[in-house]
Amino acid sequence: QKEVEQNSGPLSVPEGAIASLNCTYSDRGSQSFFWYRQYSGKSPELIMFIYSNGDKEDGRFTAQLNKASQYVSLLIRDSQPSDSATYLCAVSNTGNQFYFGTGTSLTVIP
Amino acid sequence: DTGVSQNPRHKITKRGQNVTFRCDPISEHNRLYWYRQTLGQGPEFLTYFQNEAQLEKSRLLSDRFSAERPKGSFSTLEIQRTEQGDSAMYLCASSLGVGAHYNSPLHFGNGTRLTVT
Repeated sequence: QKEVEQNSGPLSVPEGAIASLNCTYSDRGSQSFFWYRQYSGKSPELIMFIYSNGDKEDGRFTAQLNKASQYVSLLIRDSQPSDSATYLCAVSNTGNQFYFGTGTSLTVIP
Repeated sequence: DTGVSQNPRHKITKRGQNVTFRCDPISEHNRLYWYRQTLGQGPEFLTYFQNEAQLEKSRLLSDRFSAERPKGSFSTLEIQRTEQGDSAMYLCASSLGVGAHYNSPLHFGNGTRLTVT
């Protein structure tokens, strides 16, 4: 079983809609959770991080964490064509190791 | 904060040659990570430094790979006797590192794309 699992997609949403990206992880000791956006041919760019159960909002982005279910999600409100990218979920434990999922490809259709 | 800098951006080499990549982290960051990423995959951990100490190295990493971080500043990743399977994007990331329970985010450089012919 992989440490971090994501649906590879592709996920397509119309412009202005909410995009929902999901991630599950296997290590119950995980404490830190991150979402990165990666455009084709570019390096990952940090969008959000979350440490505690519940929701964390930053502009159009909301990260949701449920440690009991070992589940973390990213919601993108008012999706824009510029949001089209691959979204990587990363999980870290106290051992300073970061594990990445394979990413979900998102396409926002104008 | 000038960000994480990696050089070169692209490297094309012939099988069997040695290559070396450089990473300059964000200046106040004491942790430095190297990852490798191939098409359609997430970044794969290679090795990690805290200051000048190499604290962890992936068990998947061949002994052809070596990394250094002299004086806890920039880092180099060397691949000896390159193989076609080494073709990938090599990513460097740095972080502040925090207290006992949480890790601060990784900040990635632009990567070095290696092509082995």
